[in-house]
Amino acid sequence: ELQLAQSGAEVKKAGESLRISCEASGYNFSRYWIAWVRQMPGKGLEWMGIVYPGDSDTRYSPSFQGHVTFSVDTSITTAFLQWSSLQASDTAMYFCARGVGIGVDTFDLWGQGTLVTISS
Amino acid sequence: QSALAQPASVSGSPGQSLTISCTGTSSDIGAYNYVSWYQQHPGKAPKLLIYDVSNRASGVSDRFSGSKSGNTASLTISGLQADDEADYYCSSYTTRRTLVFGSGAKVTVL
Repeated sequence: ELQLAQSGAEVKKAGESLRISCEASGYNFSRYWIAWVRQMPGKGLEWMGIVYPGDSDTRYSPSFQGHVTFSVDTSITTAFLQWSSLQASDTAMYFCARGVGIGVDTFDLWGQGTLVTISS
Repeated sequence: QSALAQPASVSGSPGQSLTISCTGTSSDIGAYNYVSWYQQHPGKAPKLLIYDVSNRASGVSDRFSGSKSGNTASLTISGLQADDEADYYCSSYTTRRTLVFGSGAKVTVL
């Protein structure tokens, strides 16, 4: 079955590190970009950037560059989003999505989301 | 990059048609035909409706249609149904090789 399965909700403290995951199944993981999208409570979608599992090429939104890191492990068809030092403003739902299109501009398969809650 | 501008809310009665606008600039919507639309029900992940301005995603009802003129894209929902009540987001590829989402429009079925 075509699916992106994300890891469960996390509750962390400011300053801690965190890595959340997005496991792909039902398609060739290495051949499609994975995007990460943030949705803060009650707010809209924000594009964080994309990672290509085939060669780990990454593109970050300027708004997130330097604060998060994308990585992949093709042996377990999983993409990761990580923070080295969380901030209260990182509290949000995070979605992974499969990117398609010439500009990786369309997301045709989405994970269920991972809720990250940061306490100060 | 600022979010693409969408109306905060749009409403219509069952069976009616409604249109949601998405306004950008010559650096995003006006530069490419890479506009997509997503539907998001509360507590759920977004679902792709339209890609490349006017192409319906697999399995999406033909009640949903997309178009573009200049720096503004539009999503039209015809034959409005109760289940269409959701948030709708547009997105566009940009000249900076990034992607920008719209601010989101809440559709209410009266």
